[in-house]
Amino acid sequence: AQRVTQPEKLLSVFKGAPVELKCNYSYSGSPELFWYVQYSRQRLQLLLRHISRESIKGFTADLNKGETSFHLKKPFAQEEDSAMYYCALPGNGGYNKLIFGAGTRLAVHP
Amino acid sequence: NAGVTQTPKFQVLKTGQSMTLQCAQDMNHNSMYWYRQDPGMGLRLIYYSASEGTTDKGEVPNGYNVSRLNKREFSLRLESAAPSQTSVYFCASRPGLAGTDTQYFGPGTRLTVL
Repeated sequence: AQRVTQPEKLLSVFKGAPVELKCNYSYSGSPELFWYVQYSRQRLQLLLRHISRESIKGFTADLNKGETSFHLKKPFAQEEDSAMYYCALPGNGGYNKLIFGAGTRLAVHP
Repeated sequence: NAGVTQTPKFQVLKTGQSMTLQCAQDMNHNSMYWYRQDPGMGLRLIYYSASEGTTDKGEVPNGYNVSRLNKREFSLRLESAAPSQTSVYFCASRPGLAGTDTQYFGPGTRLTVL
């Protein structure tokens, strides 16, 4: 069965430090993975998706099929990056049934 | 565009009471979704509507019913609320024309069942 694991509930870093938010998945076939972000008092929104291979707000994520991972990285964290981050992939039923990880709260301190 | 809107923002119910959470989108999207968000569990799909006139169960449908009233509106009903349904509820919509298009979320409804 498809599953998304985000092992860290909280990641706390100082401004300017590198950030890596971990996401591991189990999926049969070629998955498409997403990172969603929820800033304080804002709605959940798409941050990036691996098929786009783009960098959004300085974040990148590379799909590693060998390690079944899709870690989110940023070389220099900013205070405005503080948010809740969710990794997701399509479940049985495709894009109508996204499976979300439990989420990681990123706290960037000045 | 307002995007996806949800009412109410907050609600407190007593066990056994019923209520309906409303969701509307003005983006002409075909697909709509209801999720619940619980601490440590991420978002879990309750029900979805792939297109107007259809509804299907998600991961956690027990205790809920839905209605796709028209293309814009998708409501979630709790017939007899239980404390286990205390959660934050999110509605989302998706164009649904291409397999890879993404979901757009509403601001959420925080529900407490006493």
